[in-house]
Amino acid sequence: GEEVAQTPKHLVRGEGQKAKLYCAPIKGHSYVFWYQQVLKNEFKFLISFQNENVFDETGMPKERFSAKCLPNSPCSLEIQATKLEDSAVYFCASSQGRLNTEAFFGQGTRLTVV
Amino acid sequence: TQLLEQSPQFLSIQEGENLTVYCNSSSVFSSLQWYRQEPGEGPVLLVTVVTGGEVKKLKRLTFQFGDARKDSSLHITAAQPGDTGLYLCAGEGNNNDMRFGAGTRLTVKP
Repeated sequence: GEEVAQTPKHLVRGEGQKAKLYCAPIKGHSYVFWYQQVLKNEFKFLISFQNENVFDETGMPKERFSAKCLPNSPCSLEIQATKLEDSAVYFCASSQGRLNTEAFFGQGTRLTVV
Repeated sequence: TQLLEQSPQFLSIQEGENLTVYCNSSSVFSSLQWYRQEPGEGPVLLVTVVTGGEVKKLKRLTFQFGDARKDSSLHITAAQPGDTGLYLCAGEGNNNDMRFGAGTRLTVKP
């Protein structure tokens, strides 16, 4: 597609439930990034992929967060046993290259944990 | 700790005023990017600066990359309400991935 498509737009989960977010990158883009934005400001890097391979996962909370980018499927970010502090907007971005190239962002998924 | 420090965190000004926001780091970057995010949307790239000392202009926006490639500034002349948004700088992180600063939230009042 011509734009990064994130689904769902909004997601509400009870504390302890699982949440799964999806991202379809722009066709032809090799890199996918996931970010968490809390309180409408700070962008926290979570994980990046080069095609289906994890490139950098240093931002991922190890215990409950996982992500995949499988061939011919949307990328996914899954949170097991959600906590209140996981409430945030999760943005996915894709780019053709890794550095000095424009990252195109989706509109985000707003996760609310109640 | 943030790789990129942005200041101020919040800025509220009247239409027609000028402003400058800053993006600073102790690290040297091969390039820095500036993005603007509007409510309910993802960030959109404004500019990429690559060369130390580089100045780029985009209408009323002027971007500067520091000589040492550790900092950058964004200056807006005669701000308009349409400039309202979150301005983010981004650069190469320690693991060679793109990292963002915390952003400057700009509000321009009519």
